[in-house]
Amino acid sequence: GIQVEQSPPDLILQEGANSTLRCNFSDSVNNLQWFHQNPWGQLINLFYIPSGTKQNGRLSATTVATERYSLLYISSSQTTDSGVYFCAVVSYYGGSQGNLIFGKGTKLSVKP
Amino acid sequence: EAQVTQNPRYLITVTGKKLTVTCSQNMNHEYMSWYRQDPGLGLRQIYYSMNVEVTDKGDVPEGYKVSRKEKRNFPLILESPSPNQTSLYFCASSPNGGRAIHEQFFGPGTRLTVL
Repeated sequence: GIQVEQSPPDLILQEGANSTLRCNFSDSVNNLQWFHQNPWGQLINLFYIPSGTKQNGRLSATTVATERYSLLYISSSQTTDSGVYFCAVVSYYGGSQGNLIFGKGTKLSVKP
Repeated sequence: EAQVTQNPRYLITVTGKKLTVTCSQNMNHEYMSWYRQDPGLGLRQIYYSMNVEVTDKGDVPEGYKVSRKEKRNFPLILESPSPNQTSLYFCASSPNGGRAIHEQFFGPGTRLTVL
């Protein structure tokens, strides 16, 4: 099945710093999403981005489907950005319908 | 407000005592799904439903049942819970554009402990 690899696994930032999180996937996809899991366990939708670039405030994401990777940019980080960031994909070639395959996540800690 | 709701949010129960975790969405989505999240194993799909009365197994269906009698509701049933079903459970929904599943929206999660 499709493999999803995220890097780095852990990231510690000082408040105000910028960061880039990467997601590599091993096969063609027809859905790619970025999520933020907050310290209370809730999964927050950040981006639905099977291709192209999107921006939402301090966050932006780019997916290059032909090269099988996606990047999440966080600018001017805040302590509330702390948590785990997941990339998840749906393989173009099947498996159960809509089965989001999640990467292991990047654990981000933003220090004041 | 458009949302996916789950109840209960937290549950501690004992082995063998049947329980149901409810999931409801108010976005008129055709597609709904259940996932469980475990340390070291990540999130894995349990069951999904493409529409009313249409359900199918995901990657880890053993020990679970689901039903989809109404479009908005997709309950997860544990007939005889066991300690290995202790986990964080998420319900998700999505509009379904034919074969393609679009953006999925997740509920707040249900923390289940089976003693």
